Amino acid sequence: DAKTTQPNSMESNEEEPVHLPCNHSTISGTDYIHWYRQLPSQGPEYVIHGLTSNVNNRMASLAIAEDRKSSTLILHRATLRDAAVYYCIPLYNQGGKLIFGQGTELSVKP
Amino acid sequence: DVKVTQSSRYLVKRTGEKVFLECVQDMDHENMFWYRQDPGLGLRLIYFSYDVKMKEKGDIPEGYSVSREKKERFSLILESASTNQTSMYLCASSFMRRGQAEAFFGQGTRLTVV
Repeated sequence: DAKTTQPNSMESNEEEPVHLPCNHSTISGTDYIHWYRQLPSQGPEYVIHGLTSNVNNRMASLAIAEDRKSSTLILHRATLRDAAVYYCIPLYNQGGKLIFGQGTELSVKP
Repeated sequence: DVKVTQSSRYLVKRTGEKVFLECVQDMDHENMFWYRQDPGLGLRLIYFSYDVKMKEKGDIPEGYSVSREKKERFSLILESASTNQTSMYLCASSFMRRGQAEAFFGQGTRLTVV
């Protein structure tokens, strides 16, 4: 399984963009990069995933480095509801075994 | 609406008891998971099942076993509960399609072993 490195915590101001980094230098060519988040007192929820190209959905954008050794989750305008622990997870295409690292705890200040 | 249902929200058991935690999903997902979550240790995978009767150990399988006799049901068994198994247990199910693995989690079971 590919190892990931994320900052333990980050802070943001409400309505400002947030860039959450993840290093996954041991990722294999067939691993998709997934991001999940866990809101307080809830189970994790899927945010976004990608392989090589940058991806956008209604929740966030995912920017993947050209060498795929790192990625950045972008929240375009942070809200108080975005305060959560964010997990970056490389996942083998034919697998599905989700293993969560320590993640980044994001706090959002009003 | 997508549903993963765990049989209990709160459970108190005695040391040495055999404990069953049940999880049912209604989405016809191939994959099911059992995790435990403890403060400071994050979310740790106990067991993963990718099909009926198929399972893989996660990072912390010791003291646990699992059963998946039907696609929709995944059971976690504590053969002889111990106080260090006091934790929040989370079940999840997911599909894997074109590289996307979207998992859905149950509401969790807070198990206390006394």
